[in-house]
Amino acid sequence: AQSVAQPEDQVNVAEGNPLTVKCTYSVSGNPYLFWYVQYPNRGLQFLLKYITGDNLVKGSYGFEAEFNKSQTSFHLKKPSALVSDSALYFCAVRDMNNNDMRFGAGTRLTVKP
Amino acid sequence: DSGVTQTPKHLITATGQRVTLRCSPRSGDLSVYWYQQSLDQGLQFLIHYYNGEERAKGNILERFSAQQFPDLHSELNLSSLELGDSALYFCASSVWGVGSIYNEQFFGPGTRLTVL
Repeated sequence: AQSVAQPEDQVNVAEGNPLTVKCTYSVSGNPYLFWYVQYPNRGLQFLLKYITGDNLVKGSYGFEAEFNKSQTSFHLKKPSALVSDSALYFCAVRDMNNNDMRFGAGTRLTVKP
Repeated sequence: DSGVTQTPKHLITATGQRVTLRCSPRSGDLSVYWYQQSLDQGLQFLIHYYNGEERAKGNILERFSAQQFPDLHSELNLSSLELGDSALYFCASSVWGVGSIYNEQFFGPGTRLTVL
């Protein structure tokens, strides 16, 4: 079965510093991977996805993610964090059997001024 | 704004009661997904409907059911409610068709259910 894991419940960074939110995946076949962000009292918002091609995927709000097949990882990154980036981040993988999305447990990112 | 709407925003009810949550997908999206988000279990997939037909079930309790109507809106029915059913319930929609596995899902703002 397709699954993703987010090994960190919480990530804290200082404003202006680079940030990384980690995600590893386990799939049979080609992975179709997604990152979503959830701000307080809001639904999930799509950030970016990896389907095929370039291992570095660029998304919304200056975020990017690096797909690494050998390490089965899809880490979310941003060169310079903003306080407004503080939110809950979810990694997800498409389940090829039924077209559903399987989400990780989420990582709470806190960016301190 | 994702284009997915959910009503009501908040719902407070008592144990043993039944409630209905409503979702309208983005224009043109035929697939609707329901998720439950609770503090201790994260985001759990419940059920997926495509063009009125059930496509897949996830961790959905037998007390819960859903349907998708001809106008593509969907309803999630929760019955015999328990305290543990208190959670945020999201619906999401996406395009279905050739290449749809590549498509992201668009989430509504959610319905916060509180069971007292």
